[in-house]
Amino acid sequence: GENVEQHPSTLSVQEGDSAVIKCTYSDSASNYFPWYKQELGKGPQLIIDIRSNVGEKKDQRIAVTLNKTAKHFSLHITETQPEDSAVYFCAADSGAGSYQLTFGKGTKLSVIP
Amino acid sequence: GAGVSQSPRYKVAKRGQDVALRCDPISGHVSLFWYQQALGQGPEFLTYFQNEAQLDKSGLPSDRFFAERPEGSVSTLKIQRTQQEDSAVYLCASRRPGIDTQYFGPGTRLTVL
Repeated sequence: GENVEQHPSTLSVQEGDSAVIKCTYSDSASNYFPWYKQELGKGPQLIIDIRSNVGEKKDQRIAVTLNKTAKHFSLHITETQPEDSAVYFCAADSGAGSYQLTFGKGTKLSVIP
Repeated sequence: GAGVSQSPRYKVAKRGQDVALRCDPISGHVSLFWYQQALGQGPEFLTYFQNEAQLDKSGLPSDRFFAERPEGSVSTLKIQRTQQEDSAVYLCASRRPGIDTQYFGPGTRLTVL
């Protein structure tokens, strides 16, 4: 089955700096790659996603890049703010009509004011 | 409209007790997923419904875990004879036809003593 690796596990940045989180996946049939933000005591909230026919997608301060050949994708947050502090998860579907998501272990992002 | 709701938000059970966790998906979302999230980990897939049909239960860890969605809307995850290793947050997600995005509820935190 699908295996998703995520790095780093913790990340501290100064307010205003950029943050980058990287993930790799194993199943070449995967087509859909969402990123979720989870705050303490809450469920994961989708922040951006990308499909395999697109190499890059941007939404204001957040961007995601995908390299299908290398089977890795990254989340980029620019101009970080204290409210960006949370745990971020990458995920991948299993393709072939399977809708279950396989998640990475998460990255705890701390933005220092 | 309202998001995915789950109840109870917190459940404490003594080892050996049975528990039932409820999920109310977003109206019109035919796909429903259950995930288990251990402390400090990413969510792990348990089972998937399309309407009332349980199409994938490959992630259920044992036959003590049972899920149903009899009318294609509300779903219940039941755990029989709970064990300490069942302690986790149980997340429900729903998805509407033709769209990849899974919307998560706030989760139920189960603690087995």
